[in-house]
Amino acid sequence: KQEVTQIPAALSVPEGENLVLNCSFTDSAIYNLQWFRQDPGKGLTSLLLIQSSQREQTSGRLNASLDKSSGRSTLYIAASQPGDSATYLCAVLQGGSEKLVFGKGTKLTVNP
Amino acid sequence: DTGVSQDPRHKITKRGQNVTFRCDPISEHNRLYWYRQTLGQGPEFLTYFQNEAQLEKSRLLSDRFSAERPKGSFSTLEIQRTEQGDSAMYLCASSLGRPTSYGYTFGSGTRLTVV
Repeated sequence: KQEVTQIPAALSVPEGENLVLNCSFTDSAIYNLQWFRQDPGKGLTSLLLIQSSQREQTSGRLNASLDKSSGRSTLYIAASQPGDSATYLCAVLQGGSEKLVFGKGTKLTVNP
Repeated sequence: DTGVSQDPRHKITKRGQNVTFRCDPISEHNRLYWYRQTLGQGPEFLTYFQNEAQLEKSRLLSDRFSAERPKGSFSTLEIQRTEQGDSAMYLCASSLGRPTSYGYTFGSGTRLTVV
């Protein structure tokens, strides 16, 4: 059974700092990995989608990497801003399936 | 394209009542998914449709839950005889084709509180 773990569970940083969020998964037979952002009481906003054959994807200040063989992904946020404060969720699309398996998320707080 | 739309945004109901939620996917998306998220947890898969066909259901979807997508467009999720444990955020997502290529687009969710 696929399990997705996100570390740390919570992170508080000063504005302007670069930071890394970690995601690990137990079964490397995945189609892709997706990073989402969730604001309190809201739905999920897709940030980056990495196919299993890719190593990384970039969007603005965000960069996500994937090492499928070791079951790890990282989300790098450059020059963090208070508006980046949210919960970041990692999810894998399991091979042979159409369902996402999510981690519990990392709650990020960026202090002005 | 207004994204994935869910209605209502919030629902408070008494234990034992029935509730129904609606999801309107992005118009050209043929796949529609329902997830449930409890406080402090990641979303968990409930069920999904390809057009009007319900292709997979999670064991989380007990007999009190039923989902439909009658014309392959919008979907409804009904919970009968609600219990306090049903309190959660119910999220709908859609995909243009197989999410292997396109990924998911989620709606804003319906927050259910059972009192």
